[in-house]
Amino acid sequence: EAGVTQSPTHLIKTRGQQVTLRCSPISGHTSVYWYQQALGLGLQFLLWYDEGEERNRGNFPPRFSGRQFPNYSSELNVNALELEDSALYLCASSLGRGLGGYTFGSGTRLTVV
Amino acid sequence: DQQVKQNSPSLSVQEGRISILNCDYTNSMFDYFLWYKKYPAEGPTFLISISSIKDKNEDGRFTVFLNKSAKHLSLHIVPSQPGDSAVYFCAASASGGSYIPTFGRGTSLIVHP
Repeated sequence: EAGVTQSPTHLIKTRGQQVTLRCSPISGHTSVYWYQQALGLGLQFLLWYDEGEERNRGNFPPRFSGRQFPNYSSELNVNALELEDSALYLCASSLGRGLGGYTFGSGTRLTVV
Repeated sequence: DQQVKQNSPSLSVQEGRISILNCDYTNSMFDYFLWYKKYPAEGPTFLISISSIKDKNEDGRFTVFLNKSAKHLSLHIVPSQPGDSAVYFCAASASGGSYIPTFGRGTSLIVHP
């Protein structure tokens, strides 16, 4: 069984640009979560999608957005990139709403210069 | 304000000895706790969890202890092995809330041969 896959694995962008990160959940999982892990910090919750709808949002500005497609894959979009957006972006999936026993992907390392 | 705190950024242990990783939380609504392990260039993997109705949960070499009155949990690894060297994240969620787990900043465990 394929795990959670994320693309791309690494990305370098310039300040002010926009970026799209992609995530494919485990087959059958309907919930997708996005987390940001900046250097020295824990995993900060960004967004939760379930059945195509945004269910919850972390304490991030509106330039962080996303969507979930009918096949349950998801995109995370970040507009007007800032240097502090440099981080590892992790996607996780679960079967419905869970208490945190998620399966994580390997992440996308975003560097903003 | 950090609701889940891992106050030791790193821990070094000799192979065969016990590793004890600590975690404190402040939110009384948290009633489900998890530990994740993360190797470099990989996503976090779920290790073990505990519900607030229990004070101990064991899975092989890994045991999690929960002290609700002190709002403290710990992960014991016995015996420690070099392959256990990784970053360990503590997480907590509230079944009566959004379910979204809040993560600590992680503790880097190094097990020396």
